[in-house]
Amino acid sequence: QKEVEQNSGPLSVPEGAIASLNCTYSDRGSQSFFWYRQYSGKSPELIMFIYSNGDKEDGRFTAQLNKASQYVSLLIRDSQPSDSATYLCAVSMDSSYKLIFGSGTRLLVRP
Amino acid sequence: DVKVTQSSRYLVKRTGEKVFLECVQDMDHENMFWYRQDPGLGLRLIYFSYDVKMKEKGDIPEGYSVSREKKERFSLILESASTNQTSMYLCASSLEAGGMTDTQYFGPGTRLTVL
Repeated sequence: QKEVEQNSGPLSVPEGAIASLNCTYSDRGSQSFFWYRQYSGKSPELIMFIYSNGDKEDGRFTAQLNKASQYVSLLIRDSQPSDSATYLCAVSMDSSYKLIFGSGTRLLVRP
Repeated sequence: DVKVTQSSRYLVKRTGEKVFLECVQDMDHENMFWYRQDPGLGLRLIYFSYDVKMKEKGDIPEGYSVSREKKERFSLILESASTNQTSMYLCASSLEAGGMTDTQYFGPGTRLTVL
């Protein structure tokens, strides 16, 4: 059974801090990794994806991938109250239509 | 911008009714997906389609069927709704399969309540 694991949280950080969200996956054949943000009552929206080991930065967001250790993380710098949401990690296999989603980590940014 | 729309945001149905959920995408995407999302269980794939009239079962297809007669439209059908199908239903689309950057874009969701 392919699995994607996330701590459900909530992860609480003060405004301006760095929020670190982690995700581990079980299938070594996983190729691409996606981070989605989901506000309460809304649908997931893509933040970024990564498929190479190392860091990928996009504005205040940095995705980090370590295939040897089978984890991917999302760092949010200068966290804002508007970043309070559930963050979903998703993993895909090469040449696969499917994404396997984690259950998400709830982030709370305190003003 | 990719636009995925769903026919209803909220729907209330009675047990045993036949329910149709419609999804339309305007970006000429090959793939379309139906998920349900429940607290603590995350997003679970019900069915997906990689071409017109083509479909494959996802992880939880029981009690559901789908139809894709046109490329832009993907319908989810609950043949006989049951209370355990009360959930948030999310449609998604993606450009093509197999690309490492192939991204799924989601519609706004339909919250279905079966009484």
